[in-house]
Amino acid sequence: DAGITQSPRHKVTETGTPVTLRCHQTENHRYMYWYRQDPGHGLRLIHYSYGVKDTDKGEVSDGYSVSRSKTEDFLLTLESATSSQTSVYFCATRDYNSPLHFGNGTRLTVT
Amino acid sequence: GIQVEQSPPDLILQEGANSTLRCNFSDSVNNLQWFHQNPWGQLINLFYIPSGTKQNGRLSATTVATERYSLLYISSSQTTDSGVYFCAVVGNDYKLSFGAGTTVTVRA
Repeated sequence: DAGITQSPRHKVTETGTPVTLRCHQTENHRYMYWYRQDPGHGLRLIHYSYGVKDTDKGEVSDGYSVSRSKTEDFLLTLESATSSQTSVYFCATRDYNSPLHFGNGTRLTVT
Repeated sequence: GIQVEQSPPDLILQEGANSTLRCNFSDSVNNLQWFHQNPWGQLINLFYIPSGTKQNGRLSATTVATERYSLLYISSSQTTDSGVYFCAVVGNDYKLSFGAGTTVTVRA
């Protein structure tokens, strides 16, 4: 698929610690998205970006922040991780009127 | 945001059977895609189909944008078709909204 790399692929962290997940793309796509996937909830949008330094909230943004200082990188930060943020996180990118492509996901466990 | 409803939620098929999955959406969309999530969790793009009909092997999809629905057809199903199928749409606000998915199980 498109050149989207998520890092780390797996992470275990303790409640209360900050965590940053990285999404890196090589496609020069304008739009980037962070989703979380949980059993029974499907894919839910956390935050998205429509350009460098242009971001907006999704439906489950509480407890998360994002930054996009350059086209290729979109960072998702959990300021103080909680057990409810244990999930699989997917990054996705697309360009205007073009298909969405997903990264392979990051499995985060908060103990 | 746009509401996306997929049906049925679950589908059990015998190998070789045909099936139709449906995606309804609540407003006009700029983009529509179908994805397959395989047992390893990867989300694979099947079709980018804001309107019209496309075919790829045993899979085909049709979107009728004016009536706000899309259909995904699986013909001669195989066990490798098992997984969750998602429909996703993009509205005028750049947001991409997903349906809850259809879980397909193909039995040998």
